[in-house]
Amino acid sequence: VIWMTQSPSLLSASTGDRVTISCRMSQGISSYLAWYQQKPGKAPELLIYAASTLQSGVPSRFSGSGSGTDFTLTISCLQSEDFATYYCQQYYSFPRTFGQGTKVEIK
Amino acid sequence: QVQLVESGGGVVQPGRSLRLSCAASGFTFSSYGMHWVRQAPGKGLEWVAVIWYDGSNKYYADSVKGRFTISRDNSKNTLYLQMNSLRAEDTAVYYCARDSDYYDPRGAFDIWGQGTMVTVSS
Repeated sequence: VIWMTQSPSLLSASTGDRVTISCRMSQGISSYLAWYQQKPGKAPELLIYAASTLQSGVPSRFSGSGSGTDFTLTISCLQSEDFATYYCQQYYSFPRTFGQGTKVEIK
Repeated sequence: QVQLVESGGGVVQPGRSLRLSCAASGFTFSSYGMHWVRQAPGKGLEWVAVIWYDGSNKYYADSVKGRFTISRDNSKNTLYLQMNSLRAEDTAVYYCARDSDYYDPRGAFDIWGQGTMVTVSS
């Protein structure tokens, strides 16, 4: 099983801020990493796959980086609609695993 | 449009069974691997199971292995999750999700259903 450590679990920020979320793997996964956004009462939505490729329709203020064991999601200029919970997920091997989630809240 | 719609959730007593369904539309269902993912109230996402595009392979999380069975009917564009010997800790919203890769499920989860709630309680 590949364990994932996502940090921070809670991030307080203001509109316009640049925020970063980290995800560390217990073993290397190349670039088989995805990021999802989930808003309350809604299903998750795919933001980024292959560590850094933006899903169609996702705003360019979102970006992903990293490979191997360390990955980062960056939101360059936080907008009101970005306040949500974010999850990383590895799809290198089964069982698929998710990070614990990062809630981005309004400061 | 591309859509997944889950159904079959509800309240069930511990030890009983429930079958969830996920109806797919707007894409060639038989060309994609499919997953079930669950989320307990106030908790994070937990992957549950995967099935290959043709049903030839299946994998399960340890937490459900031997109790849950994933299956599909490509003629009906429908994915299923048969849940037996249910426990209180199975209480969650259950989502079906499409794997982004054709045929073998080697990708991220690009399409999600709205979820169906399963509550296991006496």
